Amino acid sequence: DAGITQSPRYKITETGRQVTLMCHQTWSHSYMFWYRQDLGHGLRLIYYSAAADITDKGEVPDGYVVSRSKTENFPLTLESATRSQTSVYFCASSATEGSGGNTIYFGEGSWLTVV
Amino acid sequence: QKEVEQDPGPLSVPEGAIVSLNCTYSNSAFQYFMWYRQYSRKGPELLMYTYSSGNKEDGRFTAQVDKSSKYISLFIRDSQPSDSATYLCAPGGSYIPTFGRGTSLIVHP
Repeated sequence: DAGITQSPRYKITETGRQVTLMCHQTWSHSYMFWYRQDLGHGLRLIYYSAAADITDKGEVPDGYVVSRSKTENFPLTLESATRSQTSVYFCASSATEGSGGNTIYFGEGSWLTVV
Repeated sequence: QKEVEQDPGPLSVPEGAIVSLNCTYSNSAFQYFMWYRQYSRKGPELLMYTYSSGNKEDGRFTAQVDKSSKYISLFIRDSQPSDSATYLCAPGGSYIPTFGRGTSLIVHP
C-alpha cells in the first residue's frame, strides 16, 4: 500500500547507544520531515529535506543526524541517545514545503524511550 | 514568545456542543493557516486550511482567520465523540508551517 511507514514503532534503548529510526514513503514526495512530539512542547521540527542529498536543520537538531540518499527514505539517527531524547518521533512527507493545501502526510510515529 | 500559541486544554464538552479552538501567532508574514487533527497514538492529518483572512466552511467545521489580530479559530458544530482528538493549528507561508502545541478536545456522549 502507498503511504509513509516508520520503523521501529516502539524502541527502548540505553543512554549512549546509537539509534536509527527509519522512514519510507511511496509517493515520491520531494519534502520529508522529522518531528518530535513532547508534552508541553507540541510538535517540533528536527530536520527536513527538500530533495535527495539536501537536508537542513529545524528547530531542535542537536544530537540528531539525517541523510537522504534516496528520495523515498529519510532515516534519523541519534548518535548517542540521552534521556531527554525520549519522545514520540514522527516522519512526514509532502509534495512541497507543506503550506496551503499541500498536505504534510505523517507516519504513525515511533515511540522511543531512553533509559 | 513562541511563534504560535495554543491552549493545550483539555477541553471537555458534551455531544452536540459548538466547540471553539483558538490559536494566536506572532509572524505577520503567515499567509496560510492549516488545522491538523491528531487522534490518540496516531500521526496528525490535515483537516482544513485557509488562505489569508476570512472564513472557510467544510461540513461541521469552520476555520476563521483574523490577520489584524493574528488570531486563528476552528469551530466545530454539533460535536461528536468521534471528534475527540488533539487539534493543532499550523500557520505558514511559502515555507514549512509552524505547529502549535495542540488543544486536546474530549466530546463526551
